[in-house]
Amino acid sequence: KQEVTQIPAALSVPEGENLVLNCSFTDSAIYNLQWFRQDPGKGLTSLLLIQSSQREQTSGRLNASLDKSSGRSTLYIAASQPGDSATYLCAGGAGTALIFGKGTTLSVSS
Amino acid sequence: GAVVSQHPSWVICKSGTSVKIECRSLDFQATTMFWYRQFPKQSLMLMATSNEGSKATYEQGVEKDKFLINHASLTLSTLTVTSAHPEDSSFYICSAMAGLDSPLHFGNGTRLTVT
Repeated sequence: KQEVTQIPAALSVPEGENLVLNCSFTDSAIYNLQWFRQDPGKGLTSLLLIQSSQREQTSGRLNASLDKSSGRSTLYIAASQPGDSATYLCAGGAGTALIFGKGTTLSVSS
Repeated sequence: GAVVSQHPSWVICKSGTSVKIECRSLDFQATTMFWYRQFPKQSLMLMATSNEGSKATYEQGVEKDKFLINHASLTLSTLTVTSAHPEDSSFYICSAMAGLDSPLHFGNGTRLTVT
């Protein structure tokens, strides 16, 4: 059964720093991997989707990579801003429902 | 971009009553919809998967008679929490996708409080 782990659980950085969030999964038979952002008490915002045939996706200051052989994905956030403060969730799936990690709560101080 | 509308965004109900939550895909046809619940400081847990026109598939430990899911059309799925109890208080989120190669799009969630 697919399990998704995110490290660290929480991260605090000053504004302007580049940072990396990590996600690992147990089943390499992953069809796609998706990164989400969740603000407190809110739903999810999809950030990046990496499909099975892809290795990375970029959107603005965000870059996500997927290494199926090692069972890992990373989300790189460049030049962090206070508005980036949120919980970031990665989720992997075999084509249907996604299995979520517990998230990394990011706090960016100004 | 694809939009999934979830309604209501929050609801307070008394113990023993039933609550219906709607999930609509506004600009695409959702062949599959998913329902998740999230307890405070926990990750999202998949409750069930529903395909249009067929019965929902429930995850282990989720009572199908308590959490009724109806996916009557390609744009609407509903989750009804029957005979709600305080322990059902949670954040419920639906998601929808057009196909296997499509990303999942999520609703904004429904905060259910059962008193």
